[in-house]
Amino acid sequence: SQKIEQNSEALNIQEGKTATLTCNYTNYSPAYLQWYRQDPGRGPVFLLLIRENEKEKRKERLKVTFDTTLKQSLFHITASQPADSATYLCAYDQTGANNLFFGTGTRLTVIP
Amino acid sequence: EAGVVQSPRYKIIEKKQPVAFWCNPISGHNTLYWYLQNLGQGPELLIRYENEEAVDDSQLPKDRFSAERLKGVDSTLKIQPAELGDSAVYLCASSLAGGGNTGELFFGEGSRLTVL
Repeated sequence: SQKIEQNSEALNIQEGKTATLTCNYTNYSPAYLQWYRQDPGRGPVFLLLIRENEKEKRKERLKVTFDTTLKQSLFHITASQPADSATYLCAYDQTGANNLFFGTGTRLTVIP
Repeated sequence: EAGVVQSPRYKIIEKKQPVAFWCNPISGHNTLYWYLQNLGQGPELLIRYENEEAVDDSQLPKDRFSAERLKGVDSTLKIQPAELGDSAVYLCASSLAGGGNTGELFFGEGSRLTVL
């Protein structure tokens, strides 16, 4: 069955640097991927959606890429700030039935 | 505009007791989801509703879990009887019709269940 993996449980970076988070999937290419941010004790908050025919999507300091050859999505935060510290989740439609399945998340810590 | 509202935020019960969680989605959102999230894991889908119809409940453990969405608005998720392994955060989310393909899911703050 299709799997989605975020291959870093935790990532620590220095303030001002670019954080890059990875989301890999197996088997077939999903029609789209979504990225969410989750703070402790809170529900996930939507950040970006990228479709399989889109190579890149940007929103302010955020950038998402979608490489169907590598079966991978990369999530970048440029000029990172301590306020960016959170868990970032990628999600995809596993079955094509509009059910969103989530990866395990990457916990990002931006060090001042 | 009000977001997705869930209650209670926290619930502590003893095993074998029943528990119920309530969710009020964003007005106008036809699609409603219940997810379960264990510590350090991503949310796992339990059930998805389109209006009042459960269109996917394949991940819902039906021996002890039940859900309903009367009138296609509010929803209730029930566990009876609860087991120790049910301790988790139960998240409700809503979206416009079409689910994740058309845009974002809006999540509530979650209901944290502790089973002793």
